[in-house]
Amino acid sequence: DAKTTQPTSMDCAEGRAANLPCNHSTISGNEYVYWYRQIHSQGPQYIIHGLKNNETNEMASLIITEDRKSSTLILPHATLRDTAVYYCIVRVASGGGADGLTFGKGTHLIIQP
Amino acid sequence: GAGVSQSPRYKVAKRGQDVALRCDPISGHVSLFWYQQALGQGPEFLTYFQNEAQLDKSGLPSDRFFAERPEGSVSTLKIQRTQQEDSAVYLCASSLGAYTGELFFGEGSRLTVL
Repeated sequence: DAKTTQPTSMDCAEGRAANLPCNHSTISGNEYVYWYRQIHSQGPQYIIHGLKNNETNEMASLIITEDRKSSTLILPHATLRDTAVYYCIVRVASGGGADGLTFGKGTHLIIQP
Repeated sequence: GAGVSQSPRYKVAKRGQDVALRCDPISGHVSLFWYQQALGQGPEFLTYFQNEAQLDKSGLPSDRFFAERPEGSVSTLKIQRTQQEDSAVYLCASSLGAYTGELFFGEGSRLTVL
């Protein structure tokens, strides 16, 4: 799997949009970008994924650059409960279960009241 | 419950003891994963099952680690002769299909080896 680079930590004010960047410059054409988050003392939680088009769901939006070398996860109206470690992961879509998820260290997002 | 359930949530073992950690995946989920998460680190892959078949165990750190899923549902991760470096949170995840990247994680079992 291609490796990703994320900032170690970020702050965001409550109610504002949180924009979390991820670099994946060696991504292959058949690799998707996945985002998970892990709230303290809980298991990771799936947020969103995409291949090359921007994606939106009830939790977040995912913006992938045209060259696919980077992406941004957007939490439109951050709340204190969004404080968590956010992981950006690239993964082959049909690589079989063992090509599941390779987590890095992620970005610790802290939402400030 | 509707989610992935793991037990025990907390386990303290003396060095050298054997431990068994249980995972109840979401009903009907084909794929099951075990991950190990050390303090301050991201989860690291241990092993993967597709139904009852263990298709990948490349992440198991030593032959003291053993996992099984005999009927394609509940899985057990066993650690023999525990060492202090085994202290970690052990996470189980399941997914509906064989190739999806949308995994559902349990809350984990925190193992502390004294």
